[in-house]
Amino acid sequence: DSGVTQTPKHLITATGQRVTLRCSPRSGDLSVYWYQQSLDQGLQFLIQYYNGEERAKGNILERFSAQQFPDLHSELNLSSLELGDSALYFCASSARDRGTETQYFGPGTRLLVL
Amino acid sequence: AQSVAQPEDQVNVAEGNPLTVKCTYSVSGNPYLFWYVQYPNRGLQFLLKYITGDNLVKGSYGFEAEFNKSQTSFHLKKPSALVSDSALYFCAVRDFTTSGTYKYIFGTGTRLKVLA
Repeated sequence: DSGVTQTPKHLITATGQRVTLRCSPRSGDLSVYWYQQSLDQGLQFLIQYYNGEERAKGNILERFSAQQFPDLHSELNLSSLELGDSALYFCASSARDRGTETQYFGPGTRLLVL
Repeated sequence: AQSVAQPEDQVNVAEGNPLTVKCTYSVSGNPYLFWYVQYPNRGLQFLLKYITGDNLVKGSYGFEAEFNKSQTSFHLKKPSALVSDSALYFCAVRDFTTSGTYKYIFGTGTRLKVLA
């Protein structure tokens, strides 16, 4: 158990809908990362927050957004969902925002868009 | 931009034999390299990382990795494979963003199958 929690574990929804994925980092970790893992694209970095502020952006679509709250939990919002958004979404946390920090991954949320 | 390549989609090895999972990298500057393992229906677990120093890095579950600067490689190794090592393995490199912060680039993953 990494100490990072993600809810829900599974999510089934329809095209055009909007969903919110939630992540709670390990106790004391200030940095949260979001990743998308799909069969055809592998593991893609989406976005990183550090202590409430956006720090880095990867291959995140404009339909997707994220935020980190004062209690350090983070939410990833996916809107106008398409079939291709079906994937595993992982959250990871680390203590700081330095690149040498080890990231600890949550168990993921499996999203299925029908 | 930095990148990593895992040239093998799958590696099969007999239990008890040594295993190697390959990773090559392309960086400008000093590379920061990582290995993660993903078991079915689980998140990624950190195995080891190379930042600087000794080229042989020891990690969790008996794994180690050898950093080779001349060959730009960071292969994951284990002297004696276990069936329970069967999983998906990812190599990753730290990349700098245009804003001066960091992000991680992951390889496409190598599926390791250890046969009893």
